[in-house]
Formats: sequence, structure tokens, C-alpha cells
Amino acid sequence: ETGVTQTPRHLVMGMTNKKSLKCEQHLGHNAMYWYKQSAKKPLELMFVYSLEERVENNSVPSRFSPECPNSSHLFLHLHTLQPEDSALYLCASSQIVSQGANVLTFGAGSRLTVL
Amino acid sequence: GQNIDQPTEMTATEGAIVQINCTYQTSGFNGLFWYQQHAGEAPTFLSYNVLDGLEEKGRFSSFLSRSKGYSYLLLKELQMKDSASYLCAVSDSNYQLIWGAGTKLIIKP
Repeated sequence: ETGVTQTPRHLVMGMTNKKSLKCEQHLGHNAMYWYKQSAKKPLELMFVYSLEERVENNSVPSRFSPECPNSSHLFLHLHTLQPEDSALYLCASSQIVSQGANVLTFGAGSRLTVL
Repeated sequence: GQNIDQPTEMTATEGAIVQINCTYQTSGFNGLFWYQQHAGEAPTFLSYNVLDGLEEKGRFSSFLSRSKGYSYLLLKELQMKDSASYLCAVSDSNYQLIWGAGTKLIIKP
């Protein structure tokens, strides 16, 4: 495996279900991200894990819970979601340096549909 | 507030040239990125501009004017495989990425 891999690629869940999205990066990067991508809207940063710290977008509902057990793996736990949470969830990684371009490498995404 | 504007959709002909514009208003500036995203696939990095001017990379070029808060992505000799969405993003004073909503480029034969 190379790059950033996400599973599952597609997920359909009811509002009372609990599920998790998984992301793994094989690039030796020191930061990982969860983004939400909705049609015709800008990418929305949900969570960042960088150098052992977590930064979160305060507008993300608590029904989304991230977990980063090590620098290569990232999870997004989903619980009691709403239909408006249906979207493409993208994982990304990068090698953060003190200055310069922080280029993200994205996974192909997990397409989530909440019924 | 911080804002990135780019056209929602553009259409061009195979073999032609197309310019996708991006204007931005952000709190500080630490570079501008262009990403390409084919339908159902991951966004992939195309270019990074931090100084004014034109950066050329094969058929693709990216231009930046910091004083005007403006960038464009120029695609030459268009191919059908260039049909994709093109995302503009700016790194602000805190090195946070501010994203545009993307431009869907449709290439016709």
C-alpha cells in the first residue's frame, strides 16, 4: 500500500448506528487530517493531529469523534448522525515543516450516506 | 471573514487553453495551492505559489499576484483526462488552509 488509504469507501448508516471510518498513511508524515467535502462547498477541516496534538474545528458536532492511536492511523467515530452529515469524508496527511509549503496528500475518501 | 472565490463550472474544448481564476481575502498569506480532483478520487497537489509570478509545470501553469489577491491556473493543450474539479486554497497567517468551493472543468471533444 502506498499513499493514504481510507476504508470503507462507501458507508450507509441509520441515524442510530455507530460506525467508524479508518485512515492509514504510508508516507511517514507527522500530521493527519479529517475533512468534510459537501457538493459545491469548500472543504471543511474537522480535525488535525499534528506532532501529538489535536486541533479541532469548534463547529464540528460531538457526534463526530476522532482517534489517532499513532502517527500512521486515524479514525473518525460516528454516532447518532443526522442526514445532513451525508458527505464525502477525506483523510489527508502532510509533513509539517517550520516554514514552506504544507502539501497535503489525500485519501480517496469515504462516501457516507445517513438515512 | 476569510474567503476564496472561484467559478463553479467551466467548459472548454479538447486541445484548447483554459484559465481558472481564484481570488482571495484572507488574514495573512503564506502561499496558494492548486489541487486537482477527479470524480470519486482523492484531490492531488498541482502547484504552490508564494511569490508573485508564473510557475510553469508542463501543460499546467499557476500565476500569483499578492497585491491583487489573485491567482489563476492555466491549462494548455487540454486533454479529456483534464476533466476534473480544480481546488484553490490559501495558507493564512496561522498556516491554516482556506479552501475555495472548487471549479468543475468540463472538456468537450
